[in-house]
Amino acid sequence: NAGVTQTPKFQVLKTGQSMTLQCAQDMNHEYMSWYRQDPGMGLRLIHYSVGAGITDQGEVPNGYNVSRSTTEDFPLRLLSAAPSQTSVYFCASSYSNRGDIQYFGAGTRLSVL
Amino acid sequence: AQTVTQSQPEMSVQEAETVTLSCTYDTSENNYYLFWYKQPPSRQMILVIRQEAYKQQNATENRFSVNFQKAAKSFSLKISDSQLGDTAMYFCATTSGTYKYIFGTGTRLKVLA
Repeated sequence: NAGVTQTPKFQVLKTGQSMTLQCAQDMNHEYMSWYRQDPGMGLRLIHYSVGAGITDQGEVPNGYNVSRSTTEDFPLRLLSAAPSQTSVYFCASSYSNRGDIQYFGAGTRLSVL
Repeated sequence: AQTVTQSQPEMSVQEAETVTLSCTYDTSENNYYLFWYKQPPSRQMILVIRQEAYKQQNATENRFSVNFQKAAKSFSLKISDSQLGDTAMYFCATTSGTYKYIFGTGTRLKVLA
């Protein structure tokens, strides 16, 4: 009963380094999304996908790339990390996008030095 | 654009008492959904309650209930018989268009023994 699995749980990067945050779900959900959580700002949508091969930008997409080659996986890529990307990142999935309950991963705490 | 406002950054309540968390939102849509999510210290996001805007009846889930005032665009969460395990950050959220969810900035609730 895995649900939404995010890896890693913690990561420290130096400015300019790249990395990929992994997200996988085993519930056959069509909709997947990435959020970042910053103090006093709630959760802000970075990118989302409504199915394999389909992605779109959310509220704060700059500095992040995504792809969706399979229904199960939705990785988030930081091409050149910046201190402003220090945050907690959450992946979420739902059966569809229209008002369905979102299931969240456990989050990744990322620090960029 | 849709917005969600949680005007109480922090609240506290004595164990076994009742507390109400406020949420207001702005939307131009006729059909939308509203949510309350709980984030305990473990960081895991957990759905508390979901409301469909076209249903006038307030949603309830055990000790949790909402007061949904559609005309006033208000969606408050009432927690009855508060327990220590209710200590968490609570986020109000709504759907935005077909594909997006918008979250408020959260209310940190502390239940006192």
